[in-house]
Amino acid sequence: AQSVTQLGSHVSVSEGALVLLRCNYSSSVPPYLFWYVQYPNQGLQLLLKYTTGATLVKGINGFEAEFKKSETSFHLTKPSAHMSDAAEYFCAVSAAGTALIFGKGTTLSVSS
Amino acid sequence: DVKVTQSSRYLVKRTGEKVFLECVQDMDHENMFWYRQDPGLGLRLIYFSYDVKMKEKGDIPEGYSVSREKKERFSLILESASTNQTSMYLCASRADRLYNSPLHFGNGTRLTVT
Repeated sequence: AQSVTQLGSHVSVSEGALVLLRCNYSSSVPPYLFWYVQYPNQGLQLLLKYTTGATLVKGINGFEAEFKKSETSFHLTKPSAHMSDAAEYFCAVSAAGTALIFGKGTTLSVSS
Repeated sequence: DVKVTQSSRYLVKRTGEKVFLECVQDMDHENMFWYRQDPGLGLRLIYFSYDVKMKEKGDIPEGYSVSREKKERFSLILESASTNQTSMYLCASRADRLYNSPLHFGNGTRLTVT
């Protein structure tokens, strides 16, 4: 069975600072991994995904994530935070032939 | 762009009422999903459907049922609403069963049961 753990339900950074949102997964088969973002009063939007191949994945809005099999991690980073990045972020892992399994989410706050 | 439309943004219902949440997608996607989202719990899968007239239970199906009579429409039904079903409900679709395909989400329906 697959599962996802997001470390830290709330992360606060200053504008211009590095953003690091942590995600660890458990999977009995090679995983497909996703990061989604949810802005207030909206549905979820895909940020990036890892399927196969290059382990460093670039997404929208300057975000990227690195798949590390040895650490079972898929942490999300952005070099310089913007106020507009304030949102809730979800890591998710796919199970073969079924729906995505989501973590509990991390709320990112950005202060000026 | 894929568009997933949920018919209501906000709903207020009374305990015991039968509630229908409707979701329509416009990209001929085979798979559709219903999640509920609660603070601190993330998204939990209620039901999903691989194709018309097919449905499978997710992690928390109790108290819910679904209907998929047409490919583009997936309805979530609360047979007798209870206060613990107050939540944000998110519908999503996916092109096919390949598990590397992303989900496309609607904007959600915030249901309050009083």
